[in-house]
Amino acid sequence: EAGVAQSPRYKIIEKRQSVAFWCNPISGHATLYWYQQILGQGPKLLIQFQNNGVVDDSQLPKDRFSAERLKGVDSTLKIQPAKLEDSAVYLCASSPSRPGETQYFGPGTRLLVL
Amino acid sequence: RKEVEQDPGPFNVPEGATVAFNCTYSNSASQSFFWYRQDCRKEPKLLMSVYSSGNEDGRFTAQLNRASQYISLLIRDSKLSDSATYLCVATNTGRRALTFGSGTRLQVQP
Repeated sequence: EAGVAQSPRYKIIEKRQSVAFWCNPISGHATLYWYQQILGQGPKLLIQFQNNGVVDDSQLPKDRFSAERLKGVDSTLKIQPAKLEDSAVYLCASSPSRPGETQYFGPGTRLLVL
Repeated sequence: RKEVEQDPGPFNVPEGATVAFNCTYSNSASQSFFWYRQDCRKEPKLLMSVYSSGNEDGRFTAQLNRASQYISLLIRDSKLSDSATYLCVATNTGRRALTFGSGTRLQVQP
């Protein structure tokens, strides 16, 4: 079974530039999550989708971050404009919709903002 | 106050040692608990779920104390390959998203 795919794996940009990350979840998984992991910290949820609807985006900085999951499969996360403090690993995870299901993480996109 | 708190370590132990990690959570509505393992520059992977009755998986034992809002992980007979960061996780089942602690780093030395 193919895992969660993410691209790009690495990205270096200058502050105030825009960047977009892509995630392809495990086939059939209805729930998709984007987490931000800053160095030395645990992952923090940014947004959770159930199919193509947003379940929780309470911790998403909406002035600069946006995410979408068209057709309930792939998802993109965008930052515009980027700040230095956005330097982190952006992890995508997916899970089926059954209660208590395991979340499977992709390899992450490592972002460095200069 | 962080929702899930862990001692960041690092814990430096010799091979064969027994090591225990502790974690506390502040949200009494949390219903499910897990330990994830994260290797350097890799994604987190589920190590084991944590149940009130305690559960064991080989050399790993997890315990949950709901009254004290406390979770533990015990690793017996440590191996070099156990070196990683261990993330304590809580979730409200209705919400499903995971709330992670900052992780405890373990370094097993030969």
